[in-house]
Amino acid sequence: KNEVEQSPQNLTAQEGEFITINCSYSVGISALHWLQQHPGGGIVSLFMLSSGKKKHGRLIATINIQEKHSSLHITASHPRDSAVYICAVPISSGSARQLTFGSGTQLTVLP
Amino acid sequence: NAGVTQTPKFQVLKTGQSMTLQCAQDMNHNSMYWYRQDPGMGLRLIYYSASEGTTDKGEVPNGYNVSRLNKREFSLRLESAAPSQTSVYFCASSEMFVNAEAFFGQGTRLTVV
Repeated sequence: KNEVEQSPQNLTAQEGEFITINCSYSVGISALHWLQQHPGGGIVSLFMLSSGKKKHGRLIATINIQEKHSSLHITASHPRDSAVYICAVPISSGSARQLTFGSGTQLTVLP
Repeated sequence: NAGVTQTPKFQVLKTGQSMTLQCAQDMNHNSMYWYRQDPGMGLRLIYYSASEGTTDKGEVPNGYNVSRLNKREFSLRLESAAPSQTSVYFCASSEMFVNAEAFFGQGTRLTVV
């Protein structure tokens, strides 16, 4: 069983639609990361959150620690939002914690 | 402010050849990481350096070695490349280990033939 599950794997939307990407994890965590991987391959950090909600422009990330679940929302989606969105959580492996990544959600926004 | 600089961007190796991937960050971060990304799989940690002077194995360390040369630089070495090491490699850094925003290099696409 994957420790970090994302859904959906693929998502196609029309420009202007409200987008939701989900991330569930199986262990207690201190924080969760949302990342964006551009079509060219570069990866940027969008959010790191440990409770509640964070907003940056049209992006909103929420987390429910009790339910071990986080969502990334995009309002008024645009073709430039097309990318792979990845969530990651620190999980203990051996003697250390390390970020464990979901397999990503491929988002395509059509004009 | 360059952030995380990773070289080379592309490399083709023959089986058995060696190479070193270079990574440097200019943000004075304590922690640095090397990941590989394969189709259909999430990023997987190869090695990390939680702070200058320390390195530790991650999830998939076999066939790799690392050097934390100083606080800025963290290199990844393939001593004898194998086709299974064909992948995209990312270097990343963060101010502190794990619970801090991570900054990624642009990636190295490595093909081993």
